[in-house]
Amino acid sequence: KAGVTQTPRYLIKTRGQQVTLSCSPISGHRSVSWYQQTPGQGLQFLFEYFSETQRNKGNFPGRFSGRQFSNSRSEMNVSTLELGDSALYLCASSPSDSSYEQYFGPGTRLTVT
Amino acid sequence: SQQGEEDPQALSIQEGENATMNCSYKTSINNLQWYRQNSGRGLVHLILIRSNEREKHSGRLRVTLDTSKKSSSLLITASRAADTASYFCATDEMGGSTLGRLYFGRGTQLTVWP
Repeated sequence: KAGVTQTPRYLIKTRGQQVTLSCSPISGHRSVSWYQQTPGQGLQFLFEYFSETQRNKGNFPGRFSGRQFSNSRSEMNVSTLELGDSALYLCASSPSDSSYEQYFGPGTRLTVT
Repeated sequence: SQQGEEDPQALSIQEGENATMNCSYKTSINNLQWYRQNSGRGLVHLILIRSNEREKHSGRLRVTLDTSKKSSSLLITASRAADTASYFCATDEMGGSTLGRLYFGRGTQLTVWP
């Protein structure tokens, strides 16, 4: 099976802009989670979707949002970008409702200038 | 917060030596997982150990879990230069709605010299 794919891989945006990142999970996986990784804060959980419903949300401001489509693909959106949003954004998919194993994509490196 | 902590923060060894990394966490868990990350890329899932297991093996990897001490260790035997990476432990949290959410430590940076 193909792994988790994320697009784009690299992105440079300016403060105040918005950005949309995309994630395609492993075929058959219905859960998609998003994480932000920075040198200062490490890996932080953003949110998780299962069957198009957000089940969990981390402690991030409302500028961070996401959604999941019926084919399990997911997008996350960050509005009004700030310099501190520069990070590696990782998406992970999980096989089932009760599985804790997560399989990660290569990430999207976002740089905000 | 459930976030785990790995120890040491950095480890430098020669090829062929064994590498041991430790992880501590704070609350009760269902499972603990170890991941590897090469230089700012995605995380690769290495192994999952359930809370009712004490030890698990996968190839050159050996993971132990001590729920009474809320700690785990990852042993990589006969290390290779290709094992150079950051290693993270990740936990869930027993109880509540925590499916899909993992708590990560800061990681151990392992360098294996040829």
